[in-house]
Amino acid sequence: DGGITQSPKYLFRKEGQNVTLSCEQNLNHDAMYWYRQDPGQGLRLIYYSQIVNDFQKGDIAEGYSVSREKKESFPLTVTSAQKNPTAFYLCASSDDRVGEQYFGPGTRLTVT
Amino acid sequence: EDKVVQSPLSLVVHEGDTVTLNCSYEVTNFRSLLWYKQEKKAPTFLFMLTSSGIEKKSGRLSSILDKKELFSILNITATQTGDSAVYLCAVGSFKMDSSYKLIFGSGTRLLVRP
Repeated sequence: DGGITQSPKYLFRKEGQNVTLSCEQNLNHDAMYWYRQDPGQGLRLIYYSQIVNDFQKGDIAEGYSVSREKKESFPLTVTSAQKNPTAFYLCASSDDRVGEQYFGPGTRLTVT
Repeated sequence: EDKVVQSPLSLVVHEGDTVTLNCSYEVTNFRSLLWYKQEKKAPTFLFMLTSSGIEKKSGRLSSILDKKELFSILNITATQTGDSAVYLCAVGSFKMDSSYKLIFGSGTRLLVRP
């Protein structure tokens, strides 16, 4: 089955802790993306990567970090510097940078 | 500043009704407009539109783009309870540094009652 997987589905952390969200795809897509979704708002771009070992900041990158060591994987770390980390995080990939993006099932992060 | 505005914010209809969802945009260097359906989790891709006036159709769903008036509509005919979801509109545009990004609207929440 081809697709995008994200884990875990739900994640709870205490304030001040870093946490890493996993995103894996077996679609052989070059480009991968991380978005954040808050209630009543559209998706906002955190980071994106168009090729292995390269990534760029999106609109709300502060307090987040990423790596792209393998084509299939694009993990997102939410650091303690992120002021309001509780949100629904969605990972996506696309075959080329202007093509349609396909989304994973998301990770709901709650920080207390 | 680039923006994508969807209307209405929410909509309640009965099974069998026809609905029209709206998406207007103001972006520089427009490339495409995309529609997604989001039920509980992952948004699923519906349509990508790049040319004005050409309708895209999939079953009971159809969409059209007007690049002169800067909007798109998504029509759903003979609605079913399974159509209940948030419908997201996104516009792809090129930036000054030649990067390409999707800008999302906040969505229209559709509830179809039996």
